[in-house]
Amino acid sequence: QSVLTQPPSVSGAPGQRVTISCTGSSSNIGAGYDVHWYQQLPGTAPKLLIYGNSNRPSGVPDRFSGSKSGTSASLAITGLQAEDEADYYCQSYDSSLSGSHVVFGGGTKLTVL
Amino acid sequence: EVQLVESGGGLVQPGRSLRLSCAASGFTFDDYAMHWVRQAPGKGLEWVSGISWNSGSIGYADSVKGRFTISRDNAKNSLYLQMNSLRAEDTALYYCAKDSGMGLAAAGTSGWFWGQGTLVTVSS
Repeated sequence: QSVLTQPPSVSGAPGQRVTISCTGSSSNIGAGYDVHWYQQLPGTAPKLLIYGNSNRPSGVPDRFSGSKSGTSASLAITGLQAEDEADYYCQSYDSSLSGSHVVFGGGTKLTVL
Repeated sequence: EVQLVESGGGLVQPGRSLRLSCAASGFTFDDYAMHWVRQAPGKGLEWVSGISWNSGSIGYADSVKGRFTISRDNAKNSLYLQMNSLRAEDTALYYCAKDSGMGLAAAGTSGWFWGQGTLVTVSS
């Protein structure tokens, strides 16, 4: 059971727009901690896609965008391409009475139809 | 170019120990916190442990607390994970990751950079 909740899977046709949600709580996203997104292509290590809720590292296409509101964050991908088929993970930080540490979402598998 | 190269994985029997290493290059190692993250076969990412730039702050996931020990040698640009009392559920690909900050008080402001991982299989 992940602290951050993502849909297990999403899908879309080439050229379409998809969004992936990341739902947290008042002890993580809602507490103001930044959310980062990673793309994991099959058989490879995670790669930073979005940092600080909505910023793209150099080299990441502007088809990818991130947002955050309240206790949730979202990753949007427009102009879907076959090469976008991958697993996507959100990351944040959780601080509660039981301790403080980095947390990940359970991951979302994107299928390009 | 930032590079993280993990090593030390392999097949080990339950109850035995293993030590993972991560060799870092391409950045000032002692300016950043470092982490170990694991991914069981077909599963998601699980943060295992993190260490601040000067080893002053260390954290562990509950699942490994008391069994795993993280350490770093800034003179050697290296990160380590000593894993004792290994269990079948520790079987995973273990990634070394570079934080974008010095401490453990957040997930960094600019995300993490990841190595390619080293596979640990715990089985009799």
